[in-house]
Amino acid sequence: SQQGEEDPQALSIQEGENATMNCSYKTSINNLQWYRQNSGRGLVHLILIRSNEREKHSGRLRVTLDTSKKSSSLLITASRAADTASYFCAPTTTGTASKLTFGTGTRLQVML
Amino acid sequence: DTAVSQTPKYLVTQMGNDKSIKCEQNLGHDTMYWYKQDSKKFLKIMFSYNNKELIINETVPNRFSPKSPDKAHLNLHINSLELGDSAVYFCASSQKSGGSEQYFGPGTRLTVT
Repeated sequence: SQQGEEDPQALSIQEGENATMNCSYKTSINNLQWYRQNSGRGLVHLILIRSNEREKHSGRLRVTLDTSKKSSSLLITASRAADTASYFCAPTTTGTASKLTFGTGTRLQVML
Repeated sequence: DTAVSQTPKYLVTQMGNDKSIKCEQNLGHDTMYWYKQDSKKFLKIMFSYNNKELIINETVPNRFSPKSPDKAHLNLHINSLELGDSAVYFCASSQKSGGSEQYFGPGTRLTVT
């Protein structure tokens, strides 16, 4: 299974602080994706990092990938109340029948 | 323009009924998916179609039957609804199969009473 497991399960921070969440997985992958889900909404793709990349940035997001440790981290800098959501990682391969297998996510609460 | 749309947004029905959820994407993607998110927020894939061909069929009861009339549409029909079918169902699409980023619809909250 390529299911990612996010840690911590819940995270509460003040607006302006940085939030770091982690993802671990068990099998070899081709890429790893991070998604956000606001309450009652569909998932939104945030960033994809390929297995030959170690770090990737997108706006206030910074993702790292360590394939030797089978782990990834998502850093959100200068958090805002609008960042309050659940965050999911999805380690994937690229075969035709490849699928995204989500864990239970990290619930991030950004307080004013 | 909504990229991936689902109808209805809410569906309340009684046990034993048959219902359908419709999904449409206007992104020109080749691959579409159905996911089920239970009350514990665990999101699990059910089906995937690539160019109208079924490529992923997880362990889902036969009462669930996806139908793809064309590559822009993937509908989900559920027969003989049960209490345990209550969940939020999400449709998604991706440009191609195999680990591409996916675009999700807003979800359909199904409540079976």
